[in-house]
Amino acid sequence: AAGVIQSPRHLIKEKRETATLKCYPIPRHDTVYWYQQGPGQDPQFLISFYEKMQSDKGSIPDRFSAQQFSDYHSELNMSSLELGDSALYFCASSSQQGRFSPLHFGNGTRLTVT
Amino acid sequence: AQSVAQPEDQVNVAEGNPLTVKCTYSVSGNPYLFWYVQYPNRGLQFLLKYITGDNLVKGSYGFEAEFNKSQTSFHLKKPSALVSDSALYFCAVRAPGGATNKLIFGTGTLLAVQP
Repeated sequence: AAGVIQSPRHLIKEKRETATLKCYPIPRHDTVYWYQQGPGQDPQFLISFYEKMQSDKGSIPDRFSAQQFSDYHSELNMSSLELGDSALYFCASSSQQGRFSPLHFGNGTRLTVT
Repeated sequence: AQSVAQPEDQVNVAEGNPLTVKCTYSVSGNPYLFWYVQYPNRGLQFLLKYITGDNLVKGSYGFEAEFNKSQTSFHLKKPSALVSDSALYFCAVRAPGGATNKLIFGTGTLLAVQP
């Protein structure tokens, strides 16, 4: 079965640079979530989109922005990168038609800021 | 506010023995609870969920979880552990309200199964 696809798998950036992470949800899933997982920590919710509109917002820094496109893929844009942004970034998708449907996660993008 | 707690950072068990990974929850209203497993450098994989109905929920890879309302617990169990079960396990609760199924995760429990 198709899963959530994230690209790139690994990304190395320097401080103050920008980064763009991409997420392709499972087909027919209309909701995308972004999570950040620091080393040894639990995933922290950043932001979500439903039908291309922002549906919820968590602990996402102002330096970050995201959007969901007409084909339902999503991009997380990160600017003025800081060392503390180094983390594993997960995208997950679900279908809102199944109100309590589980989130399906991609394998993540590991961002290293040097 | 909804939250889940995983009191054990690590659980060690011998292969073939039963395993339990503990989770307690704090919610207002009906709890919607989930278990996920994370292997090194991988995403979180859905194991099972409790929404309503039977207190014993069966999931993937032989795992099950028991919902206990009086103890506000949702412990993950497996009758016979495998070395390949060694991973990081997260309990999660669905956040209240909103238009999404956003999850709030516990801090995770590392399960180590010794051969």
